[in-house]
Amino acid sequence: KNEVEQSPQNLTAQEGEFITINCSYSVGISALHWLQQHPGGGIVSLFMLSSGKKKHGRLIATINIQEKHSSLHITASHPRDSAVYICAVRGNQFYFGTGTSLTVIP
Amino acid sequence: NAGVTQTPKFQVLKTGQSMTLQCAQDMNHNSMYWYRQDPGMGLRLIYYSASEGTTDKGEVPNGYNVSRLNKREFSLRLESAAPSQTSVYFCASRWGVPMADSPLHFGNGTRLTVT
Repeated sequence: KNEVEQSPQNLTAQEGEFITINCSYSVGISALHWLQQHPGGGIVSLFMLSSGKKKHGRLIATINIQEKHSSLHITASHPRDSAVYICAVRGNQFYFGTGTSLTVIP
Repeated sequence: NAGVTQTPKFQVLKTGQSMTLQCAQDMNHNSMYWYRQDPGMGLRLIYYSASEGTTDKGEVPNGYNVSRLNKREFSLRLESAAPSQTSVYFCASRWGVPMADSPLHFGNGTRLTVT
């Protein structure tokens, strides 16, 4: 049973394209986190949100609590955005999705 | 700012050997975590420590022990390594104040191979 489901699993885009990664969850949560894992392995936190929308540079994260769904958007994608993006939710513990592997081709 | 420092970065063990993974954070965080990451699976919690002096089992604790040495340090020990423990291990920390959410801060990971 996966508490967090991400789609797509893999995504290839041309530089400049608008990208959307989706996350659905099945547990009650206090917050949803988007993480980025680069080749080489380090994981960094991009967003933490419990309602609405947040924006940081070319990245936008939205959440719909009623539908238990979040999206991560990347505008004007760039090869340096190539990474694995992980959705995580915090209920009574953290639950992690398996990640979306994004490759942006120049 | 060092953030979360995790050592070693790579390790190869033979079955039955023991080792300790070290983790230290300099952000005065209350909560610390050990996760393992395997292909095709999300991060899975091994052990966590909600505050100095407390530790609790996570989803996959078998074969591991932990020590919260002080507020800064949280170590993970494999007493008798098995090939099933081949994985990438991540230490993480966060502020962890009850009723308040805070982001997770991760170490750079330890790639462990058990032969």
